[in-house]
Amino acid sequence: AQSVTQLGSHVSVSEGALVLLRCNYSSSVPPYLFWYVQYPNQGLQLLLKYTTGATLVKGINGFEAEFKKSETSFHLTKPSAHMSDAAEYFCAVGNQAGTALIFGKGTTLSVSS
Amino acid sequence: KAGVTQTPRYLIKTRGQQVTLSCSPISGHRSVSWYQQTPGQGLQFLFEYFSETQRNKGNFPGRFSGRQFSNSRSEMNVSTLELGDSALYLCASSLGFVDSGNTIYFGEGSWLTVV
Repeated sequence: AQSVTQLGSHVSVSEGALVLLRCNYSSSVPPYLFWYVQYPNQGLQLLLKYTTGATLVKGINGFEAEFKKSETSFHLTKPSAHMSDAAEYFCAVGNQAGTALIFGKGTTLSVSS
Repeated sequence: KAGVTQTPRYLIKTRGQQVTLSCSPISGHRSVSWYQQTPGQGLQFLFEYFSETQRNKGNFPGRFSGRQFSNSRSEMNVSTLELGDSALYLCASSLGFVDSGNTIYFGEGSWLTVV
């Protein structure tokens, strides 16, 4: 069975500071990993995804994530936080031969000026 | 290109009633999946359809059902509504499966309140 654990339900940073949102996964098969962002009263927007190939994945809005198989991790980072980054972030793992995603519980990112 | 469209966006139902939610995927997408989002349980997978066939189903009671039409549009139905069914229901679409590198796109969701 696959599962996702997001460490820290709330993360607070200052504007301009590094953003680090942690995600660990469990999967018996090569995982397909995703990060989505959700702004209030909206659906999910894809930030980035890892399927195969390069382990450092660059996404939209300056976010990137690194797939580390040995650590079963897929942490999301952004060098400099912006006020507009305040939102809820979800890490997800996808199964093979399908489109079903298993989501983590989410991390709310707060950015202060 | 239009995104995933869900209707209605907001609705209020009474316990015991049933509800049908609709989803129009991105043009050309043949896969549609549904999720329930609540503050307590987070995002939970409901079911997944590809070319009108249900491929996968999450751990939900039989009151939750869905279908996909030949034009890839999908509906989900919840019968005998309970207070705990109050949630944001999200629909997602993709060209194909994740192991082919496909991206899964989400709609804005349908907010269901059961009173």
